[in-house]
Amino acid sequence: KAGVTQTPRYLIKTRGQQVTLSCSPISGHRSVSWYQQTPGQGLQFLFEYFSETQRNKGNFPGRFSGRQFSNSRSEMNVSTLELGDSALYLCASSLAGGATHPPPYEQYFGPGTRLTVT
Amino acid sequence: DQQVKQNSPSLSVQEGRISILNCDYTNSMFDYFLWYKKYPAEGPTFLISISSIKDKNEDGRFTVFLNKSAKHLSLHIVPSQPGDSAVYFCAAPRQGYDRDNTNAGKSTFGDGTTLTVKP
Repeated sequence: KAGVTQTPRYLIKTRGQQVTLSCSPISGHRSVSWYQQTPGQGLQFLFEYFSETQRNKGNFPGRFSGRQFSNSRSEMNVSTLELGDSALYLCASSLAGGATHPPPYEQYFGPGTRLTVT
Repeated sequence: DQQVKQNSPSLSVQEGRISILNCDYTNSMFDYFLWYKKYPAEGPTFLISISSIKDKNEDGRFTVFLNKSAKHLSLHIVPSQPGDSAVYFCAAPRQGYDRDNTNAGKSTFGDGTTLTVKP
């Protein structure tokens, strides 16, 4: 089974611009979550999409948005980029839905997109 | 309010010795805990888990211990190998019983501990 893929792997943008990151989950996984990792920080939850609907949301400003398509692929968009948005953005997929998903509810991560805002 | 904490940013051990990574949590509703391992330029990968109704889970060289009264868990790696050098994250995949698993995609992570195993 192919793993989670993310594109692009590296991105350099300037302040004020917007950016779109893409994630393709493992086949059969309907849940896609996005996390931000900054140096010395753990993974901060951004949002989760399940069956094209945002199901959970973290504490990030409205500049961060996302969507999920019918094939479960997901995109994340950041508008009006700030220097503090420089981070590794990780996408994770899982079954995460219904009684058929047994514990321990692990997620499968892509390699991430390294975003640098200058 | 950080609900999952890893207070040691780094740990260095000699090959063959035991590595002990620690994690504390505050939310008593967490019913599972996971450890992930992350190499540079790769995403985290699931390593081992423990249910809140257990106090120990073992998988080869990796053992996780849970002290529910202290809200503390630890990952033991014995013996440690140079290939174990990575960042280890403690995580809670959901907050308590959720029949439809609607919040199982929202994991809470610690800040990570960088383990270095010296040959």
